[in-house]
Amino acid sequence: QVQLVQSGAEVKKPGASVTVSCKASGYTFTGYYMHWVRQAPGQGLEWMGWINPNSGVTNHAQKFQGRVTMTRDTSISTAYMDLTRLRSDDTAVYYCARQYSSGLYFFDYWGQGTLVTVSS
Amino acid sequence: QSALTQPASVSGSPGQSITISCTGTSSDVGGYTLVSWYQQHPGKAPKLMIYEVNKRPSGLSDRFSGSKSGNTASLTISGLQAEDEADYYCCSYVRSNTVVFGGGTKLTVL
Repeated sequence: QVQLVQSGAEVKKPGASVTVSCKASGYTFTGYYMHWVRQAPGQGLEWMGWINPNSGVTNHAQKFQGRVTMTRDTSISTAYMDLTRLRSDDTAVYYCARQYSSGLYFFDYWGQGTLVTVSS
Repeated sequence: QSALTQPASVSGSPGQSITISCTGTSSDVGGYTLVSWYQQHPGKAPKLMIYEVNKRPSGLSDRFSGSKSGNTASLTISGLQAEDEADYYCCSYVRSNTVVFGGGTKLTVL
């Protein structure tokens, strides 16, 4: 069965960087785009971007320009999301989510979420 | 890209039907059939409920249905049940291979 298992919670200071991982299993990792979505406490879902695990090509929301990097390691079926220059408003649960199919931008499987807390 | 507009909350009694709207623009909801809906219970990851405006994932109850008219998509839940109480989010494809979510709607089953 398809599973996306994310890394554990992180506590970071403002200005630091964080890396969240998402290990996929139960399907061909390189066959499906992986997206990242975050949710601040008590707030809604916010789309961050995607990576094509096959090519490594990425795309992200303009809001995160210059701060977010999405990578993957196909040998271990794992996607990564790096966010730099953290601010307090980056405190959120970060989810990875598998895109259903090429060209069909919706998400059929989600990771369990990773809480990133940014606090001095 | 601004978030799609959803009502903050809706409510209904068990057995009733409710509809949640999701309003965007011709650049997102109105321009594509790539609208999806997600259910999220507290502390849980979102769950896909509707995709491509009105399609249900395999195994999902037919009490959930979707539609779209112009720049507004809608999710209808019929025969409300207590377990339907959750937050619901719409999502749409936007130009340049990006995506935008709605602000979310809290459904209360009275």
